[in-house]
Amino acid sequence: EVQLVESGGGLIQPGRSLRLSCTSSGFTFGDYVMTWVRQAPGKGLEWIGFIRSKTYGGTTEYAASVKGRFSISRDDSKSIAYLQMNSLKTEDTGVYYCNGRQSTGYWTKDYWGQGTLVTVSS
Amino acid sequence: DIVMTQSPLSLSVTPGEPASISCMSSQSLLHKNGYNYVDWYLQKPGQSPQLLIYLGSNRASGAPDRFSGSGSGTDFTLKISRVEAEDVGVYYCMSAAQTRTFGQGTKLEIK
Repeated sequence: EVQLVESGGGLIQPGRSLRLSCTSSGFTFGDYVMTWVRQAPGKGLEWIGFIRSKTYGGTTEYAASVKGRFSISRDDSKSIAYLQMNSLKTEDTGVYYCNGRQSTGYWTKDYWGQGTLVTVSS
Repeated sequence: DIVMTQSPLSLSVTPGEPASISCMSSQSLLHKNGYNYVDWYLQKPGQSPQLLIYLGSNRASGAPDRFSGSGSGTDFTLKISRVEAEDVGVYYCMSAAQTRTFGQGTKLEIK
């Protein structure tokens, strides 16, 4: 069974740092692009960024809104993706989802976690 | 950055009737390889998003065949041939270019 479980969320003060984890199982983690997406309360989805598989260099891309403050990394030996969030702002409040995706010329596999809530407030 | 604009933002549909959602991109999503880099997701109430359509027109594994995607370049459409009660939720298009962008979402409810 495929599982992605986000953890590390909670209440955090503005300006502080927080690291989220996405612990995965049931698929070949190292072959997947790992993406983070967030959703502010009552709002739509916002793409944060992703990290490519090592096959494609393990490089990262970020949304302009978080570039320089957030960073994504992966530990393929543990099947975990991380989202390091620095200098947090109140507008970073929301549910943070991780997504794993693998695409070939013939199919795409796409998996999501249930999300973890981050509340940035003093 | 690419901007994705969906319309309508909400729609109410009678079960068994068709539904259509439009998504316009501020830049062409047609790659030189011939694929359109746009996906469609459904987020059901209280759930995580689920992939319905990838590369513009390819149905994801597990997505019912009443869902179809079409379009090219900057104009894309998600169609539901016959809406069912389980289709309620918010539909998002997403540019799948180097950096991703979601549309604002379209809320579908059942009449």
